[in-house]
Amino acid sequence: AQSVTQPDIHITVSEGASLELRCNYSYGATPYLFWYVQSPGQGLQLLLKYFSGDTLVQGIKGFEAEFKRSQSSFNLRKPSVHWSDAAEYFCARITGGGNKLTFGTGTQLKVEL
Amino acid sequence: GAVVSQHPSRVICKSGTSVKIECRSLDFQATTMFWYRQFPKQSLMLMATSNEGSKATYEQGVEKDKFLINHASLTLSTLTVTSAHPEDSSFYICSAMVAGRTEAFFGQGTRLTVV
Repeated sequence: AQSVTQPDIHITVSEGASLELRCNYSYGATPYLFWYVQSPGQGLQLLLKYFSGDTLVQGIKGFEAEFKRSQSSFNLRKPSVHWSDAAEYFCARITGGGNKLTFGTGTQLKVEL
Repeated sequence: GAVVSQHPSRVICKSGTSVKIECRSLDFQATTMFWYRQFPKQSLMLMATSNEGSKATYEQGVEKDKFLINHASLTLSTLTVTSAHPEDSSFYICSAMVAGRTEAFFGQGTRLTVV
């Protein structure tokens, strides 16, 4: 089955440090990939998405992600993390028909001041 | 951007009662809406897909008689948890999509607590 894996359950970084959150996807045609952020008790906000074309995708809030087919990865990056970036981050892909989203297990980001 | 409003944000109900959660697309017409359930510190699990004017498609293991979904208009879908039990306590999130666009917009979620 087409799936998404986020290997890191928790990540802690210092404010101002760079960030990379990992996401791997299972076999399939070029996937439609997404990164979402969820603050506690809130819904999900789309950070960025990749469908095709340029493999380096720019998103909101200074985030970017790079699609690497050879590694089946779509890692999220930010050069300098702010305390307000502390949240849960989910990688997701479209699976099957009907535009269903399959989510990874999420990565909880903690930012130390 | 497109806005999806979910109501209520929090609800507490007694065991055996039913609870209705609304999901509205405020500034666009949503041909498809999705309902997810999220347990604490876990990912989102798709419960069902609903298309306006037709019956919802439930994922395997989701009781259709317990989680009633109605998508009566292009801007409103409802999820009714019938005869709620404490194990139904969870965070429920809806999302909506526009025909022809591969992007989902999410509601703020509803925290359901059954006591």
